[in-house]
Amino acid sequence: DVVLTQTPPTLSATIGQSVSISCRSSQSLLHRNGNTYLNWLLQRPGQLPQLLIYLVSRLESGVPNRFSGSGSGTDFTLKIRGVEAEDLGVYYCVQSTHAPYTFGAGTKLELK
Amino acid sequence: VQLVESGGGLVQPGKSLKLSCSASGFTFSSFGMHWIRQAPGKGLDWVAYISSSSDIVYADAVKGRFTISRDNSKNTLYLQLNSLKSEDTAIYYCARGATDYWGQGVMVTVSS
Repeated sequence: DVVLTQTPPTLSATIGQSVSISCRSSQSLLHRNGNTYLNWLLQRPGQLPQLLIYLVSRLESGVPNRFSGSGSGTDFTLKIRGVEAEDLGVYYCVQSTHAPYTFGAGTKLELK
Repeated sequence: VQLVESGGGLVQPGKSLKLSCSASGFTFSSFGMHWIRQAPGKGLDWVAYISSSSDIVYADAVKGRFTISRDNSKNTLYLQLNSLKSEDTAIYYCARGATDYWGQGVMVTVSS
């Protein structure tokens, strides 16, 4: 099974700071059809997970453009350019290239 | 888009339960659907997926015990949970294929 390793597990940031979260896969997430099925989600405290980024770098409708995704193969990054208070919560990467699909363990973003 | 789960509850180890996810606001038959769970205080854990053409994949932890299915005539997704274990205790979410829409979740508690 594909293992997604997220780092760091916890991230402390001040409002306005830019941060990055890494998601490394145990094998390439490039599907034979040419797509890379790697998404990023945010789960705010007490709320449902929210899709932020799909197919590595495509911004979900309604998501602020301070969020961006990049990467290829086995290494992926979520960047937040200028953290806002509403961005606090747990971020997850998830892959659906290889069955069984898998989530990373999560990165908790908290205020410094 | 709306996804509404039902069927959760308290069940003894070894027993069974069937979850439902009623979908509306989109063409249900055209989308793959996931079941994803979250144990109390833990991260997201992918459980099963059924494609629009009813191809199915399961997480190793539930393979042989859980069965995902769909009834497109009723716009409903199902998860049959058999031989339940205490470690299956979690909130169970249904989510649309790209993880762009999630239900509110239903709690399953496995305890004697």
